[in-house]
Amino acid sequence: SAVISQKPSRDICQRGTSLTIQCQVDSQVTMMFWYRQQPGQSLTLIATANQGSEATYESGFVIDKFPISRPNLTFSTLTVSNMSPEDSSIYLCSGGGSLNTEAFFGQGTRLTVV
Amino acid sequence: GENVEQHPSTLSVQEGDSAVIKCTYSDSASNYFPWYKQELGKGPQLIIDIRSNVGEKKDQRIAVTLNKTAKHFSLHITETQPEDSAVYFCAASIGAGGTSYGKLTFGQGTILTVHP
Repeated sequence: SAVISQKPSRDICQRGTSLTIQCQVDSQVTMMFWYRQQPGQSLTLIATANQGSEATYESGFVIDKFPISRPNLTFSTLTVSNMSPEDSSIYLCSGGGSLNTEAFFGQGTRLTVV
Repeated sequence: GENVEQHPSTLSVQEGDSAVIKCTYSDSASNYFPWYKQELGKGPQLIIDIRSNVGEKKDQRIAVTLNKTAKHFSLHITETQPEDSAVYFCAASIGAGGTSYGKLTFGQGTILTVHP
């Protein structure tokens, strides 16, 4: 399967600021997704990153808080805007998941908001 | 939307024993059921998956069974080893007509500890 790299791997940020997380896949993938994993919890889908168009957000997640870009088939970014301590989580990028391939994950970005 | 329930939340076994983790799902349209293993500080790694047109799939010490009528699926690990210790997540997805299996709904996770 392909390899996903996320940057940064971890960060500590001040409340009220924004952080952009980058996700790079080593091969083209049709689908890319962003998930959030709160401490000790399961993964929750934030949005589907659509290449060349606006992302599709899940219930409870909005574009103003989590703007997403996907300029091509190998790269996507997630921004966590106007952060508060409640945004402290692991953010995970996922790729693949077409009918013939599984969905694979990056190592995650561990975000702490103070 | 889809809801996936996973049990148990923690599982402790002796090395060499078998481990079984069970999940139920709510949406009968779900047709893809992967299992992920997540080690500390790492992203989830796919260990096995099953699609709704089969009832069982096996890969060495790992097997998954699916009962579509009852809407539940299970992970079986035989001859467990200490390196199997991790958090295991089940998930469910609907993929149809070329749309993606990657939009996953996850269970709550099971912390598996294998004691030497």
